[in-house]
Amino acid sequence: GNSVTQMEGPVTLSEEAFLTINCTYTATGYPSLFWYVQYPGEGLQLLLKATKADDKGSNKGFEATYRKETTSFHLEKGSVQVSDSAVYFCALTQDTGGFKTIFGAGTRLFVKA
Amino acid sequence: GAGVSQSPRYKVAKRGQDVALRCDPISGHVSLFWYQQALGQGPEFLTYFQNEAQLDKSGLPSDRFFAERPEGSVSTLKIQRTQQEDSAVYLCASSPRQGSGRAFFGQGTRLTVV
Repeated sequence: GNSVTQMEGPVTLSEEAFLTINCTYTATGYPSLFWYVQYPGEGLQLLLKATKADDKGSNKGFEATYRKETTSFHLEKGSVQVSDSAVYFCALTQDTGGFKTIFGAGTRLFVKA
Repeated sequence: GAGVSQSPRYKVAKRGQDVALRCDPISGHVSLFWYQQALGQGPEFLTYFQNEAQLDKSGLPSDRFFAERPEGSVSTLKIQRTQQEDSAVYLCASSPRQGSGRAFFGQGTRLTVV
């Protein structure tokens, strides 16, 4: 079945450091890929998405590229801020009759000033 | 409303008690999903509605869990005879049409069974 695997956290970085959170997926066909973010005390929010191979999703300085050859969708940001501290979830959605979203376990990011 | 609304935000139930969790999706959204998020984990799919039809309930963990969406808008997730392992955040999400690929999430209901 479909699945998403992302790097375990927590990830602790200093402000302005480079961020990478790895994500790989298993799916048949061509799923859509997402990164969601959950700030402390808030609900899940869509951060970015990509719907086909080689697409790059971007938002708020974050980027991820849909790599079908490596079944990956790694999240990157060139310079993190304290306000980026949150839990990040990689996810996929595919038409298996219901378009349910499959989530990774989440990666907690702490950014220190 | 502007977003997906869930109520209550917090619920404490005694073991064995029945609970009902409500979800108001974004107006006009066809698809509605329920997820269960245990502490420190990603959300796990429970069930999916397209309008009033429950098309997938493969993620419901037991027959104590029941969901409905009788008029194709508001949905209720009911858990009978709650157990401690039911303690989790229950998330509702909606999307504008089948296959839109993106879901809008509510803030969730945190259920604690004591």
